[in-house]
Amino acid sequence: GDSVTQMEGPVTLSEEAFLTINCTYTATGYPSLFWYVQYPGEGLQLLLKATKADDKGSNKGFEATYRKETTSFHLEKGSVQVSDSAVYFCALNTNAGKSTFGDGTTLTVKP
Amino acid sequence: DTGVSQDPRHKITKRGQNVTFRCDPISEHNRLYWYRQTLGQGPEFLTYFQNEAQLEKSRLLSDRFSAERPKGSFSTLEIQRTEQGDSAMYLCASSSLELNYGYTFGSGTRLTVV
Repeated sequence: GDSVTQMEGPVTLSEEAFLTINCTYTATGYPSLFWYVQYPGEGLQLLLKATKADDKGSNKGFEATYRKETTSFHLEKGSVQVSDSAVYFCALNTNAGKSTFGDGTTLTVKP
Repeated sequence: DTGVSQDPRHKITKRGQNVTFRCDPISEHNRLYWYRQTLGQGPEFLTYFQNEAQLEKSRLLSDRFSAERPKGSFSTLEIQRTEQGDSAMYLCASSSLELNYGYTFGSGTRLTVV
């Protein structure tokens, strides 16, 4: 079945550091890929998405590129802020059905 | 557009009681999903609807769980004879083809079974 593996957290960075959160997946067919974010005390929000190989999703300074050859969708940001502290979830969706989520990576950014 | 609404936000119930949760999706979205999330885990799929049709239900889902989406609008999730293991956050999300089926989530209903 479909599965998503994220790098284990927690991840702690200083403000303005470079962020990478790794995500790899296993899926039948050609999935769409997503990153969701959950800020403290809030619900899950869609952060960015990519629907086919080599697509780059971007939002709020975050980027992720759909790499079919390595089945990966790593999340990156060049300079993190304290306000980026949250839990980040990688997810995939095949055949427009249900989405499968990773277990989340907690990011803490210190001033 | 008020987003996805879930009610109640919190529910505490005694073991063995039945509970029902409600979800109001974004009106333009034809797909509605129910997930369950426990601490430190990602959302776990329960079931989803396209309009009023229930298209898939998790094989892991006990027969004590049932969901409906009458008239393709709001949805309800009922848990019968609750157990302590049912304690979790129950999430509802809606989506559409235009979003490539990326989800808009509600704030969730936190269930505590005592």
